[in-house]
Amino acid sequence: QSALTQPASVSGSPGQSITISCTGTSSDVGAYNYVSWYQLHPGKAPKLIIHDVSNRPSGVSNRFSGSKSGTTASLTISGLQAEDEADYYCSSYTTYNTLVFGGGTKLTVL
Amino acid sequence: QVQLVESGGGVVQPGTSVRLSCAASGFTFSSYAMNWVRQAPGRGLEWVAIIWFDGSLKYYADSVKGRFTISRDNSKNTLYLQMNGLRAEDTSVYFCARGTSGYYSVFDIWGQGTMVTVSS
Repeated sequence: QSALTQPASVSGSPGQSITISCTGTSSDVGAYNYVSWYQLHPGKAPKLIIHDVSNRPSGVSNRFSGSKSGTTASLTISGLQAEDEADYYCSSYTTYNTLVFGGGTKLTVL
Repeated sequence: QVQLVESGGGVVQPGTSVRLSCAASGFTFSSYAMNWVRQAPGRGLEWVAIIWFDGSLKYYADSVKGRFTISRDNSKNTLYLQMNGLRAEDTSVYFCARGTSGYYSVFDIWGQGTMVTVSS
């Protein structure tokens, strides 16, 4: 099972919006609406920010939003803030009863 | 509060075994599927294994199948990962994570991780 494809890095200025893509196949992203997104700050536990494509857990800022079209899911962060600088990973359930993560995207807030 | 705490990591030699533990608190452990996820130094997250809430089903990543075994003791609120035949490429921080939602694919609670270094 190959990792989902994410851009290695994205950047944006405070207040701007950025979008991170997550491309899979018909066996994972395209098969189910079970795509999640996680935020990782160095040395800290991963934090769930989007689940089931577009749902935000309680307590997560509404500046984070998710969507999906076909075999590509996307995470959009609007109104960028300095604390958004982190690594972001998508994940998807697969038809093999496994889970696959994306390769990760490093977000830099300029 | 809801918490997962991993333990058992360290430096081990190639070919040896180690067992990781993940102690859960603050929620009904026996009602949730549990997962192990790892992150090698400078690399991305890699899902390792899942075990159903009652231990009835287990699935593994191809990279660890046949070498790693996930298990749980609901009476002790503890998740385990038995790792045999360790290789240098197994060097990672190992996280346990609670699984919820569809096919338990949403990892809503994570531990801080325990580092396993496989080196001679």
